[in-house]
Amino acid sequence: QKEVEQDPGPLSVPEGAIVSLNCTYSNSAFQYFMWYRQYSRKGPELLMYTYSSGNKEDGRFTAQVDKSSKYISLFIRDSQPSDSATYLCAMSKTGGFKTIFGAGTRLFVKA
Amino acid sequence: ETGVTQSPTHLIKTRGQQVTLRCSSQSGHNTVSWYQQALGQGPQFIFQYYREEENGRGNFPPRFSGLQFPNYSSELNVNALELDDSALYLCASIRIGTSGASTDTQYFGPGTRLTVL
Repeated sequence: QKEVEQDPGPLSVPEGAIVSLNCTYSNSAFQYFMWYRQYSRKGPELLMYTYSSGNKEDGRFTAQVDKSSKYISLFIRDSQPSDSATYLCAMSKTGGFKTIFGAGTRLFVKA
Repeated sequence: ETGVTQSPTHLIKTRGQQVTLRCSSQSGHNTVSWYQQALGQGPQFIFQYYREEENGRGNFPPRFSGLQFPNYSSELNVNALELDDSALYLCASIRIGTSGASTDTQYFGPGTRLTVL
């Protein structure tokens, strides 16, 4: 079993839809949770960064962490075609060290 | 964009050759990590360098080695290249304090795409 599980998709939604992306994990020692966006043939770009449980909102993006269920989510409101990319969840036990990534979910937002 | 830079952008090698990839960390960052991202997969941790020493390693063989220089830039060396080494190699930097940890997260460079024929 992988430490971090993420549905690779692809996920296709119409412009303006609310997108829900999710990951589950098995290691309860993870304390830092991140979401990265990666466009084709580019490096990952940090979207959201959360320490421990709770919600965090930044513009159209909301990240949720439920440590009791070992489940994290990223919501994208009013999705735009420019949001079409691969979204990677990531987590680590100690800040800045040995980050474990999910496989990434490919998202397509249709105009 | 982050301040992490990598060179070269693309590289083509043949099986059995050796390759060196380079990374310059973001200003103020003292720690560099390297990741391998195969096509359609998430990045996998190779190793991390802090204060010019290896500070943790993932499940990669010894033919993957690295260096960190006094200016915190870093190199990734891969010997005896195999076809499966074809991937995007990502460098990430962060500032780790004297406690050995950071409350910040790391920032990635654009990557070097290595093709092994």
